[in-house]
Formats: sequence, C-alpha cells, structure tokens
Amino acid sequence: DQQVKQNSPSLSVQEGRISILNCDYTNSMFDYFLWYKKYPAEGPTFLISISSIKDKNEDGRFTVFLNKSAKHLSLHIVPSQPGDSAVYFCAASPGSNYKLTFGKGTLLTVNP
Amino acid sequence: DADVTQTPRNRITKTGKRIMLECSQTKGHDRMYWYRQDPGLGLRLIYYSFDVKDINKGEISDGYSVSRQAQAKFSLSLESAIPNQTALYFCATGTESGANVLTFGAGSRLTVL
Repeated sequence: DQQVKQNSPSLSVQEGRISILNCDYTNSMFDYFLWYKKYPAEGPTFLISISSIKDKNEDGRFTVFLNKSAKHLSLHIVPSQPGDSAVYFCAASPGSNYKLTFGKGTLLTVNP
Repeated sequence: DADVTQTPRNRITKTGKRIMLECSQTKGHDRMYWYRQDPGLGLRLIYYSFDVKDINKGEISDGYSVSRQAQAKFSLSLESAIPNQTALYFCATGTESGANVLTFGAGSRLTVL
C-alpha cells in the first residue's frame, strides 16, 4: 500500500517557466511533509517542508502548497533553471519527528 | 570531508556472500537511518536508530541486520546476499529537534550476482 504517491515519473519544462510537481498521500495521520532533491551520484538533500497547520510555505524560487482536504501537496519552482534538473522526492510523516515515508520520485528536466 | 560517509561506494558480490555497508557521520546527530532505493520504488526504510542503544526495523528489514557501534557509526549487513538486494543504499542522519531534515550520504551501490 503506497501511502505517498508521486504519479508523474518525469516532467520536462523550459527554462524560465514554472515547474509543478505533485504528490498525494493516503494516510490521514501524516501532518508533516518535505521535499528532497536528488542529483545523480549524490544523496538526497532537503529542499523545503510544510506543516499541516499551514497551506503554503515559500523559500526563494520554491513554494510548497498543501491541500489537506484533498490530501495533496505540490511543489512549485519559479522560474525553473537547468540546475533544477534532478529527481524530487515527496516525503511525509505523522509529526515532525517520526520516520518518513517517501514517494517514488519525479525526474524533473529543465531544458535551456 | 563529507558529513555522512558511506563505504564502499560500489560493491559487486555473489549470492550467499556476507556484505557489510558502513556509515560514519561527523554531524553529531543522534539518529541514523538506512534506506534502499530501487528504480521506480523510491526510498524505503530498512532500519533506524535514535541513539546508540536503540535499533528499530523499518518497512523492509528482512534479510538485513544493523549495528550501531557508536553515535557516529551505523553499519548495515546482508548476512547472505541475494540478487534482489541489488540496489542503491543510503545512510542518513537526523536529530530529534531536526524535524525530519535528514542528511544523506552519497550512497553505496550494491550488485549481487
């Protein structure tokens, strides 16, 4: 049973445009969500997080939106840059200090 | 030097062999984790440890064991490797106050023939 779903294995966008990566979850106990970014031959690195008490969190070009009623979150990257090309993992946990459940990842390619 | 160091980075072994993957960290973090990544399956938790005396199974612990030798060291063992354990393995660290912001190593690619 996949509790965190990233239904798009890949996404391709043009440099300067918006990238939107989506994530759905099924476990209603999840209330803390994170995005990690992974480049080839490197480990994942933390990108941005959001608690269920918020519906939006912004950090520079990256914004995460949370829709609790739909059990859906999305990561917006504006403007997209070629260096953003990576695999993006959505992760969730029931509280900010419990073990994470990861999605399968979405490969983002930003074309110059 | 990397904050989280995994050795070996690449290993090819044969079915039935015992393999140990090692992880050491200089972050001073209490919590350490072992994840496995397979194509199309994302990251799955094998084992985790919240301190030196604490070891917990993750969602896919069968066929694996771990040892937390010190706060900074967490090793993963495959007692008798099998081909479906071929994967990319990641060690990660975190803190109780860190809100699941984990620091990952660069990964250990294991191939079991």
